[in-house]
Amino acid sequence: AQSVTQLGSHVSVSEGALVLLRCNYSSSVPPYLFWYVQYPNQGLQLLLKYTSAATLVKGINGFEAEFKKSETSFHLTKPSAHMSDAAEYFCAVSAEGGSEKLVFGKGTKLTVNP
Amino acid sequence: DAGITQSPRHKVTETGTPVTLRCHQTENHRYMYWYRQDPGHGLRLIHYSYGVKDTDKGEVSDGYSVSRSKTEDFLLTLESATSSQTSVYFCAIKRDRGRGQPQHFGDGTRLSIL
Repeated sequence: AQSVTQLGSHVSVSEGALVLLRCNYSSSVPPYLFWYVQYPNQGLQLLLKYTSAATLVKGINGFEAEFKKSETSFHLTKPSAHMSDAAEYFCAVSAEGGSEKLVFGKGTKLTVNP
Repeated sequence: DAGITQSPRHKVTETGTPVTLRCHQTENHRYMYWYRQDPGHGLRLIHYSYGVKDTDKGEVSDGYSVSRSKTEDFLLTLESATSSQTSVYFCAIKRDRGRGQPQHFGDGTRLSIL
């Protein structure tokens, strides 16, 4: 069965610093991977998705993620953090077997300090 | 805008009472999902639907039932609410079939059971 592990439930960076949010997955079939962002009191918004077309995926708000099969990772990065990036971020992998479901990680809360 | 409306947005009720949450979509998408979000657990799938009258259980379905009599509406019912069901509930839709297709989320319903 698939699973997603997000290392670090809380990450704190300074404004202007690199943002790195880690996601490792397990899947016995080629994975489809997603990053979502959740701002306070809102639903989840799709940041980007990997569907095997390219290993480096660019998303909204300057975020990007790189798929590394050998490391079973799909880490999310942004070169320079902005105060508005403070939110919770979720990594997800498509379930196997044609079930049309997603398996989510537990989330990483990003704090951006001035 | 994914065209998803959840109602109510907030509800406070007492243990033992029935509660129904509604998810309404405007775009006739086939797949609909109910999740709950709790601190430290991320998002957990309660039930999902792949068409009118076609539903299936997720990982935390005990104590919940669903119905989908029309394409646009997916109802989540707590037959006899318990304090452990205090949570934020999210509805999601999926526009197309396929593991590479993302889900799109509503703004959530905050449910408190006293």
